[in-house]
Formats: sequence, structure tokens, C-alpha cells
Amino acid sequence: DTEVTQTPKHLVMGMTNKKSLKCEQHMGHRAMYWYKQKAKKPPELMFVYSYEKLSINESVPSRFSPECPNSSLLNLHLHALQPEDSALYLCASSQDWQGELDTQYFGPGTRLTVL
Amino acid sequence: KNEVEQSPQNLTAQEEEFITINCSYSVGISALHWLQQHPGGGIVSLFMLSSGKKKHGRLIATINIQEKHSSLHITASHPRDSAVYICAVKRTSGSRLTFGEGTQLTVNP
Repeated sequence: DTEVTQTPKHLVMGMTNKKSLKCEQHMGHRAMYWYKQKAKKPPELMFVYSYEKLSINESVPSRFSPECPNSSLLNLHLHALQPEDSALYLCASSQDWQGELDTQYFGPGTRLTVL
Repeated sequence: KNEVEQSPQNLTAQEEEFITINCSYSVGISALHWLQQHPGGGIVSLFMLSSGKKKHGRLIATINIQEKHSSLHITASHPRDSAVYICAVKRTSGSRLTFGEGTQLTVNP
């Protein structure tokens, strides 16, 4: 099983809403990632979890709050977002993010629209 | 100047044409990845290269470490190959992927 799943596929939310994105993998990977991708741009790294601990936060605003409840699950909690936060949010996982020949497996993404 | 440069940005081809997408990078790397992204989002990893050449079906990827250059070739292209192809490198210093801007490929029947 080389699959990373993400739910929901689409999400529309208002600026005052609280919502969560979910990511799951069952490959035994110990690194999990959140990326944000705007249209016609490459993905931008937001967070990296390694062995369930936050290793990288790329100066992401606090209205985005990641959580890694266990080695298979990664959540991204959203609160008080802005319209400019509308984007495709991609989750990825890999065996060990510091491994030189490590390959990241990406999920299908959640298309987020903030009204 | 971006650390990872792809060319062309856009490519339109007729079915069955041989396609080449290029990637040049300016930093020391431990590996280079070719990724495919179809409309609607999900990214698929096609190849990871640290040297030489890899082949999978109609796709071939090569890398020249000395020249800091990689190419992705598609033989006998098909409309289903239409997608964005992204080159990404893993630096020798650090663990993040650095992405190119992507090449939008359209293959017409």
C-alpha cells in the first residue's frame, strides 16, 4: 500500500469557521508533511513532522495548527482563515525526511476555498 | 535566479511525439525527483535519481551530476500524459525538497 489519503477533497469555509484537514498513511513512514500549493505554482512546504514531533514550521501563521496524533495520522486545524489562504493543501509522507534518497509520497490534496 | 530551473514552461505536442523536459539546478544535491501532477491535484512521484538513467514504461529520466542537469523523456506520447511535470531536488545540505516551477505538457490527439 503506497497510498496517502486526504479528507475532505474539497472544503469551503467562511473566515470565522473552524475546520480540519486530515491525512493518513499506512506505509510505516515516520515523516509527514503539509504543503500549500497556489494555482500554477509549485508546492510550498508548511510543516514537517518527524517521529510525531514537529521538526519544521516554515513561519506559517498561527491560524494554521498542525497535529500528529500518531505515526499514521496528520491533521491541519484551520481557524480564522483569510481568502488568500485558498489553495490546494497537499499532505506527503516519507520513510525518513533526512534520508538522502528518501522519496515523498503525496496525497491527492484538499482544495480549500475561503469565502 | 531560481535554484531549480525547468524548460520549457509550456509544451504542446501531437500524440506519438517524443517529448523532452529539461531541469537545471545550481546547488549540490543528493537526489533529483521528477513528479507528475494532473489537473485536480494529486502529485505522483515518477523517478528519483542520484546518477545515470532510469526507465519506466514510456518514461526515461537521465541525470548528469557534473553538468547539474536532468531530462525527462516521454516516448510515443499520449493525451493521458497531459499534466504538469515538476523537477525537485534534495540538497546535500538540508532535507527539504526545492521545486522547479513545473512544465505544463499538453498532448493533442
